Parts: sequence; structure tokens; C-alpha cells
Amino acid sequence: EADIYQTPRYLVIGTGKKITLECSQTMGHDKMYWYQQDPGMELHLIHYSYGVNSTEKGDLSSESTVSRIRTEHFPLTLESARPSHTSQYLCASSESEKMRHSPLHFGNGTRLTVT
Amino acid sequence: GEDVEQSLFLSVREGDSSVINCTYTDSSSTYLYWYKQEPGAGLQLLTYIFSNMDMKQDQRLTVLLNKKDKHLSLRIADTQTGDSAIYFCAESLNRDDKIIFGKGTRLHILP
Repeated sequence: EADIYQTPRYLVIGTGKKITLECSQTMGHDKMYWYQQDPGMELHLIHYSYGVNSTEKGDLSSESTVSRIRTEHFPLTLESARPSHTSQYLCASSESEKMRHSPLHFGNGTRLTVT
Repeated sequence: GEDVEQSLFLSVREGDSSVINCTYTDSSSTYLYWYKQEPGAGLQLLTYIFSNMDMKQDQRLTVLLNKKDKHLSLRIADTQTGDSAIYFCAESLNRDDKIIFGKGTRLHILP
């Protein structure tokens, strides 16, 4: 069952538009992550958060930004979309420090196409 | 450096066993995971193994860990059409909170 929700599932948008991809989880997890998945299947970590007001950049440089004002919510924003941003974006969460190596729980993803 | 390697494709006949292999480089790994991704979906945790274990079995799934060779495998017994998916191997590192993913193995089921 999905305890982590991403909206929209699919988005087609023109170049230059501002977009926000939504991610919410109901599990009370402190850690949340955004991955970008290219057509070759590889996952790239672009942002993560350890908790409210914590945001960090991941391994892959991204023009997107994130915020973490509430524990359950971790939206990703692109101020000006470009065709190079076309990709699948996956949100994930995991439990807090006391379960340091708890596995990631993933949402179903947002497939973004920028024309 | 940190790296997780998997072969990209595997074809198996329905009813046979599938074995997906993975190698990793970081000896500080504590947990190793197998995730499954079906078309159009996110990743779903299948199973995981702690680094001090050699084997874990869960119904049709068997995970084998050879820590000396840094080799992890996932065996799916009696492979069915519903097993067709991409399988990701991942390791979590002891020194930080990173989880490193492989590039995924696409499992194709032949009739």
C-alpha cells in the first residue's frame, strides 16, 4: 500500500514554466529524498532532508529546489522548466536516526515532460 | 569509492529460477537491499540482509551474501510473468546515511 504519495503522476509542460512536484508521507518519517531517474534506469539523488527545516543537495547537481516546512511534506520546485528536466522524479522517505539503516519507501513517481 | 554493479538484462523462462547478481565495493556496508520496480511505478522493497548474515529466505526469494567477495545475489524460484520488472541492488554505508543503488537489472520472462 502507498503511504507516500506523489502528485501529479504525469506532467507535460512548456519551457520556462514554474512547476512544483508534490510529495507527502503519512508514516512520520524524518528523512525524505528526491531521486531523478533517467531512461537508462539509473537513480540519481538530487535532494534530501533529515527533518523539518533541513535540506541538502544530493550527488547530482540539479536546478530544482526543495523545502521542508512540515515533516510529512517535501515539495520540489523548478523555477523555469527546460527540456533537459524531462525525467521521472521519485520521492522516498525513511525512519529517523534511531533506525539509521531503515530502508527507503518510494512513491510512484512523477513523469515530467518539458516541451 | 562507492560503487554497486549489476548486469543490465536477464532473460529467464517462466517456471525457471532467476538469479540476479550484484557486486559492491565498500566494505563498510551494513545493510544490502533488493528493490523491485514495475513499469510506471516507484521502487518497492523486496528484501534486505544484514551484512553479518550469509543467507536470507522469504518464500520464493533467496538472498545470498558473500562478504569476502562483496557479492550479493537474489534468486527468484519458479519465476512468473509478474516477476518481470527492474531489480535494484543497494547498499547502506556504515559511515554515513547514504544508500548507494546499482543501475538495475531488467528481468524479462520468456513464455
